[in-house]
Order: sequence, then structure tokens, then C-alpha cells
Amino acid sequence: GQQLNQSPQSMFIQEGEDVSMNCTSSSIFNTWLWYKQEPGEGPVLLIALYKAGELTSNGRLTAQFGITRKDSFLNISASIPSDVGIYFCAGQRTSYDKVIFGPGTSLSVIP
Amino acid sequence: GAVVSQHPSRVICKSGTSVKIECRSLDFQATTMFWYRQFPKQSLMLMATSNEGSKATYEQGVEKDKFLINHASLTLSTLTVTSAHPEDSSFYICSARPGTGNQETQYFGPGTRLLVL
Repeated sequence: GQQLNQSPQSMFIQEGEDVSMNCTSSSIFNTWLWYKQEPGEGPVLLIALYKAGELTSNGRLTAQFGITRKDSFLNISASIPSDVGIYFCAGQRTSYDKVIFGPGTSLSVIP
Repeated sequence: GAVVSQHPSRVICKSGTSVKIECRSLDFQATTMFWYRQFPKQSLMLMATSNEGSKATYEQGVEKDKFLINHASLTLSTLTVTSAHPEDSSFYICSARPGTGNQETQYFGPGTRLLVL
């Protein structure tokens, strides 16, 4: 079945540093989504990408939809303590298809 | 933004009992709702997709007779874990997709923590 891989699995960074995380897929997705989940809560959508090559920003977050449609990355600039959480990439083959989640990248920010 | 609620937020039950979890879209109508399960330190795994007024579609390996889903209205879907066992202990999260507008967007609920003793 479809599978998403995320790297790194976890990150420990100093406050103020930039963060980059990656998501790859064994098959093509036509929509890429990035979510953040904090402990005991549901995931919150950060960025949605709908076109190959698309680069989209949301505040300090920037994400890109890979040209091959099999990968995406998320960058966080100037990290702050509230960026702590698990970041999930997710993909959809079509607009109405189910969302497939990656395993997540755990981010810890050291003040 | 669109709000999805879940009730209860956490529940503890004895083995063998049934537990019902509600998922409500508070400010929009959701033609489709999704139920996920998340075990500790793992990702969200889709259990089933429910469309209002029709039977739910279950993912492979998910027992439809154990996890009963009812999507009786455009704002409410329920998941009933029947004859719950300790291995059913997990974080259950629903999401809802509006019937209009951006079809790709799913709005997630805050999750329900189930502990079966």
C-alpha cells in the first residue's frame, strides 16, 4: 500500500535555529499536507499544497510540493519553544481521497 | 476556522463494555467524516470513512462489527467500540470534511483518549 516516510524521526534544536524536515512517498500524491500535533490533541493543518513545484508559506513555515509528486519538505525559520510538537506530512491521491499520514517528526526546541 | 468537537475527551471503561464516541462539526455541515486511531508514539491510522446517510467504508484490518460507525446527520458521527478490550486502548481522532468549498480540507477533532481496564 501507499507509504510515507519522514526524516528525521526526531530533532533537538536550539531556539532561534531553522528547521528542515522531509517527507517522501513510494507513490505519487496530488495533494500534500503538513500537520502539527501537540500532546493529547488532534492534528492542526499548517500548510496544504496542491500543485507540483508549489512553494507556500505560513508565517515562519514554508513548505514545497516536490516536482516528482513523491516528496515534500517543511522548513521552520527562527524556531521558538512553542514550535515543539510532532509534525506529520500527509498525502492524498485525489481531492476526495483519504489522507495518508507519515510517521511524524518530533521537534524539541531548547530555550 | 471550522471547528470539530469530540465527546468525551477521555473515557475509562471495563473490559467487555461498549463505549460511544461522538464527533460533531460545530459550524459547518460535513458530508464526510473520518475516524482515526493513534497508538502512543505512532502516526494516525485511518479506521473508516463515513458518509452521511450511508454505510461506513472500513480500512483493511478494521473490524466493522467491533467499531460501529453511525453518521446520522451532517453534523454528527459516532464511533462505538463494542466489547472493548485493553488492546483497544488508544487515542481516537475524528475529522470532518465540509460539503462545499475546499474539498481537500479536513478539520480534525481534539481526540478521545480511551483506556480499557
